[in-house]
Amino acid sequence: AQSVTQLDSQVPVFEEAPVELRCNYSSSVSVYLFWYVQYPNQGLQLLLKYLSGSTLVKSINGFEAEFNKSQTSFHLRKPSVHISDTAEYFCAVRENSNSGYALNFGKGTSLLVTP
Amino acid sequence: DAGVTQSPTHLIKTRGQQVTLRCSPKSGHDTVSWYQQALGQGPQFIFQYYEEEERQRGNFPDRFSGHQFPNYSSELNVNALLLGDSALYLCASSLFIGGSGNTIYFGEGSWLTVV
Repeated sequence: AQSVTQLDSQVPVFEEAPVELRCNYSSSVSVYLFWYVQYPNQGLQLLLKYLSGSTLVKSINGFEAEFNKSQTSFHLRKPSVHISDTAEYFCAVRENSNSGYALNFGKGTSLLVTP
Repeated sequence: DAGVTQSPTHLIKTRGQQVTLRCSPKSGHDTVSWYQQALGQGPQFIFQYYEEEERQRGNFPDRFSGHQFPNYSSELNVNALLLGDSALYLCASSLFIGGSGNTIYFGEGSWLTVV
């Protein structure tokens, strides 16, 4: 079984400031790692994922996350946030296997960007 | 290309009643999963369907049941509704083959309120 801990439930930040949303996981098996974003009253959208290879993965809208195996972390960062980044962010893990298994989500981090 | 579609978007039920939620997967996808997202929480996996069979199940009671049809669409049924069943129910679809690295796409969800 896997578990995900998102260390901050809320992160307030000013526009154009950098931000880091923290995620730690535990698992007895190899996993894939994901960040999803949920805008108010909407479903989840995939932001980025780590499967293998380079430990730094990037999204098209400026977010990046780095897989750290020794620290079992997958923190999400953005060097300069916009008002439109205000949303709920969920870190998730999924067992690395040949069949599709469930996503295990953290409780989420609410990012609030203010002018 | 239509994404994951769910219906209804909102509904209100009384304790003890039964509810059916419906989902059409993204075009080309053959696997459907259901998640429950309580207010302020991360989504929790209910179950996954592939080839019209339940392949994996989360920690939910038997009151939660589902079905997948030959066209890959799916239904989630909840019997004997409890107040605690009030939540956003998310449907997700993906391709089974290729493993758990495949991207999972989510619908906008069905908001269920039990009174």
